[in-house]
Amino acid sequence: EAQVTQNPRYLITVTGKKLTVTCSQNMNHEYMSWYRQDPGLGLRQIYYSMNVEVTDKGDVPEGYKVSRKEKRNFPLILESPSPNQTSLYFCASSFGTGGGNYGYTFGSGTRLTVV
Amino acid sequence: EDQVTQSPEALRLQEGESSSLNCSYTVSGLRGLFWYRQDPGKGPEFLFTLYSAGEEKEKERLKATLTKKESFLHITAPKPEDSATYLCAVQLDSNYQLIWGAGTKLIIKP
Repeated sequence: EAQVTQNPRYLITVTGKKLTVTCSQNMNHEYMSWYRQDPGLGLRQIYYSMNVEVTDKGDVPEGYKVSRKEKRNFPLILESPSPNQTSLYFCASSFGTGGGNYGYTFGSGTRLTVV
Repeated sequence: EDQVTQSPEALRLQEGESSSLNCSYTVSGLRGLFWYRQDPGKGPEFLFTLYSAGEEKEKERLKATLTKKESFLHITAPKPEDSATYLCAVQLDSNYQLIWGAGTKLIIKP
């Protein structure tokens, strides 16, 4: 089944404790992206990658890191999480940028709480 | 400033009662407009891409239309399973970025 897999689905952590959210896709998509979703604000892009070893900042990159060493994986790293990073996170992938006639395929989300 | 606004924020309908959701946009240049459906606890699911004013696309009870300032998602004779949050996003022609609206939560009562 074609899908984007994120782990974990739920995570509660403490301020300052480094964490990684994994994202993997099995569709051979070039483009991958991380979003956060907060009530009333819509989806906001954190980082994106147009291909292996190519990453770039989105609208809200502060406090996050990413890497793209393999085409299928695009982990999101929070080196020192803070409470304002409490959010619902989505990984997405597509052929090309934006998705064209097929759109993005999204993962099921990671609900992160930083206390 | 590039902006996408969806209205209403929430819409409650009776089963079978047709209506429309609105996505208005103010952007420097439009490459495409996307509609997604999001169920609670899940990631958004792609519905349609529209590229130019006058374009229409249909899928089951949904029809999306596009003008130079806005897009409508028309839902005809909705069923309870159509209940979800519907998101629209505009892709800029300058840098391929997507700008997302905050969504419309649609509730269909049996």
